[in-house]
Amino acid sequence: QQQVKQSPQSLIVQKGGISIINCAYENTAFDYFPWYQQFPGKGPALLIAIRPDVSEKKEGRFTISFNKSAKQFSLHIMDSQPGDSATYFCAAMSQGQNFVFGPGTRLSVLP
Amino acid sequence: DAMVIQNPRYQVTQFGKPVTLSCSQTLNHNVMYWYQQKSSQAPKLLFHYYDKDFNNEADTPDNFQSRRPNTSFCFLDIRSPGLGDAAMYLCATSRDLTGGNEQFFGPGTRLTVL
Repeated sequence: QQQVKQSPQSLIVQKGGISIINCAYENTAFDYFPWYQQFPGKGPALLIAIRPDVSEKKEGRFTISFNKSAKQFSLHIMDSQPGDSATYFCAAMSQGQNFVFGPGTRLSVLP
Repeated sequence: DAMVIQNPRYQVTQFGKPVTLSCSQTLNHNVMYWYQQKSSQAPKLLFHYYDKDFNNEADTPDNFQSRRPNTSFCFLDIRSPGLGDAAMYLCATSRDLTGGNEQFFGPGTRLTVL
């Protein structure tokens, strides 16, 4: 029940296209859903996060869509750029507990 | 400007030879975490400190220990590294454990075991 599932495992997108990564969870106690971006040889960095009281959050080209009833959330990267090529981890957290990370999606944006 | 600093960035050790990785933070956060990340996998939490309270994950091997002598520093000790311990080790901090607290990650230490 503590798992966070993430798909796809890898994604190839043309420059200017839309990248979509999906995550699903079971634990209804989760109340914070961040996305982390990790470049090779670097630590993960927070990209964008959402709480379950909103259905969508947008920051620049990055949007999180959240479906509480389906227990799913997704990351959309609009106008994808080669500099977006990285591994993306969704995560979930409940009060007083640690993060549960998804297995990651390796995104490659072709020039 | 660096907030979570890890030293060294690369560490080579021999099978069975103890090794210590260090982490320091300038954020004055209460919580410090150690994660192990193997190639193409998500970070795996080993343990965390909330202030001086140590919290070990149930599946963390006894071979891994940690010390937090003060708010700023935290160490990961691997008593007898095996080949399977070769990985990236990530230190992270957060203000506390309430929901919505961002975890700030350091750049990691890549450990090689010969």
